[in-house]
Amino acid sequence: QQQVKQSPQSLIVQKGGISIINCAYENTAFDYFPWYQQFPGKGPALLIAIRPDVSEKKEGRFTISFNKSAKQFSLHIMDSQPGDSATYFCAASHGGSQGNLIFGKGTKLSVKP
Amino acid sequence: DTAVSQTPKYLVTQMGNDKSIKCEQNLGHDTMYWYKQDSKKFLKIMFSYNNKELIINETVPNRFSPKSPDKAHLNLHINSLELGDSAVYFCASSPTPAGTEAFFGQGTRLTVV
Repeated sequence: QQQVKQSPQSLIVQKGGISIINCAYENTAFDYFPWYQQFPGKGPALLIAIRPDVSEKKEGRFTISFNKSAKQFSLHIMDSQPGDSATYFCAASHGGSQGNLIFGKGTKLSVKP
Repeated sequence: DTAVSQTPKYLVTQMGNDKSIKCEQNLGHDTMYWYKQDSKKFLKIMFSYNNKELIINETVPNRFSPKSPDKAHLNLHINSLELGDSAVYFCASSPTPAGTEAFFGQGTRLTVV
């Protein structure tokens, strides 16, 4: 059972364009939704995260939009740059001692110059 | 100073061998994890330790045995290695069991031949 569904699997965007990656979750107990960025040969690195009490969070060119009723959240990368080319993972977790990060399957983003 | 360091970075070994991967974090986090990333880049939790105690043990073959000598270290020992164990193994740490602000190591690429 896949608890966090991510789309698209791959994405090609022109430099300067907007990259949008979507995730949907099933477990309403989830209360923490991070996005991770992974470059080849490196570990995933936390990019930005949101809690369900807000609908949007922005950090620089990266924005998370969160829709609690639809159980969906998305990552928007404004003014996409070739250096943003990486694999992006959404994740979700719930609090408590048994919580842990459950990841989507990842989106490979390529930003063309 | 690397926050989460894993050794070795690469590991090539024959089927049937026993091997260990070491992980250390200097972030003062209470919770440490092992994740497995398969060839399709899917990240799946294997184990979670909080203050040296095992709190999550996913459906992982019992050939995999984690050991946490103290809360800054979480090692992974694998017995009787099989071809299907080939993957990238990531260690991570977090200040909470829910995985918030989780920081990942650079990964260990295990190849079983």
